[in-house]
Amino acid sequence: GESVGLHLPTLSVQEGDNSIINCAYSNSASDYFIWYKQESGKGPQFIIDIRSNMDKRQGQRVTVLLNKTVKHLSLQIAATQPGDSAVYFCATRGGSQGNLIFGKGTKLSVKP
Amino acid sequence: GAGVSQSPSNKVTEKGKDVELRCDPISGHTALYWYRQSLGQGLEFLIYFQGNSAPDKSGLPSDRFSAERTGGSVSTLTIQRTQQEDSAVYLCASSLPPGGGSYNEQFFGPGTRLTVL
Repeated sequence: GESVGLHLPTLSVQEGDNSIINCAYSNSASDYFIWYKQESGKGPQFIIDIRSNMDKRQGQRVTVLLNKTVKHLSLQIAATQPGDSAVYFCATRGGSQGNLIFGKGTKLSVKP
Repeated sequence: GAGVSQSPSNKVTEKGKDVELRCDPISGHTALYWYRQSLGQGLEFLIYFQGNSAPDKSGLPSDRFSAERTGGSVSTLTIQRTQQEDSAVYLCASSLPPGGGSYNEQFFGPGTRLTVL
């Protein structure tokens, strides 16, 4: 079945440094991937997405890279700020109905 | 505009009791999803509503869980005879209808934290 997982449960970076959060998926038929950010006590918030026909997509300070060969997804955050501290989830579309399948999450802590 | 709202924000109940969790989606969003998030875990899909179609209940963990969506708007998730393993944050999300190869962003509410003693 479909599963989405993360390589590291926690990541600590210095303010101003770049952060890289990794994710692996198992279903080679997955066609759409999303990164969510979840701050404490809040619901997940959409950050960026990428379709399987792309290998890179950039947003504001964030870049998502997709490597379909090894079924790996990464989120890069440039110049990480204290406000970036949160749990980050990758997710893939779980079926025609659009429900999402989430990984366990990586907790990002930014040290000032 | 207003986002997805959920109530209550916190619910503490005793084992064996029934609970009802409410979700108010964004106006105009015909798709509504319920997810469960256990401590330190990712989100687990529970159920999906789209317009007047029959809901996709494939994620419900047992027959103690059920959900309704009245009038295509507000949804209620009911857990009967709660067990301690039901303790989690229950998140609701809404979106414009999926399909046609496109994806419409799911907007999440803040969740209801359920604690079963």
